[in-house]
Amino acid sequence: AQSVTQLDSQVPVFEEAPVELRCNYSSSVSVYLFWYVQYPNQGLQLLLKYLSGSTLVKGINGFEAEFNKSQTSFHLRKPSVHISDTAEYFCAVSGGSNYKLTFGKGTLLTVNP
Amino acid sequence: EPEVTQTPSHQVTQMGQEVILRCVPISNHLYFYWYRQILGQKVEFLVSFYNNEISEKSEIFDDQFSVERPDGSNFTLKIRSTKLEDSAMYFCASSEAARIYGYTFGSGTRLTVV
Repeated sequence: AQSVTQLDSQVPVFEEAPVELRCNYSSSVSVYLFWYVQYPNQGLQLLLKYLSGSTLVKGINGFEAEFNKSQTSFHLRKPSVHISDTAEYFCAVSGGSNYKLTFGKGTLLTVNP
Repeated sequence: EPEVTQTPSHQVTQMGQEVILRCVPISNHLYFYWYRQILGQKVEFLVSFYNNEISEKSEIFDDQFSVERPDGSNFTLKIRSTKLEDSAMYFCASSEAARIYGYTFGSGTRLTVV
């Protein structure tokens, strides 16, 4: 069984500040990790994914995430956020023989001017 | 860029009524999924579908739910007798080769049961 914990339900930051959204997972098998973003009243958009290889993954809109196997983490970072980054961010994991995604509860990122 | 299309975007139905949520996955994708998100809660897996059959389902996906791919392009989720607690955003997703390329989600159908 897999689970995902997003440690912060809400993260308020000022525009142009750096941000880190935290994600920890648990799984008994090798995992594949994803970050999705959900803008208000929209669907889920894939930001980035880790499948294998380099542990630092770059995604769209200037986001990146680092896979840390020993700490079972996959934190999302952006060096300088914009107002338009205000959205809900979901970390998700899949692994083993099944292909379903298990999501965390989400982190609401609010970027203030 | 190819999209997963869901219709309707919003549906209001009376408790006890049947609803069918429709999805058109990306044409060369082979794996199809339904997820739901109750307001304020996390996105939950409902069912996965591959090769014209259910490959996995969650405990939420009870006998009131069914899925179908009636014509090779549409992928539908039917709720036979809706309950108030079925009110949620329902997302369809598809993938070409499961997790390798990630999943493409539709914009969702907001189901409100009154």
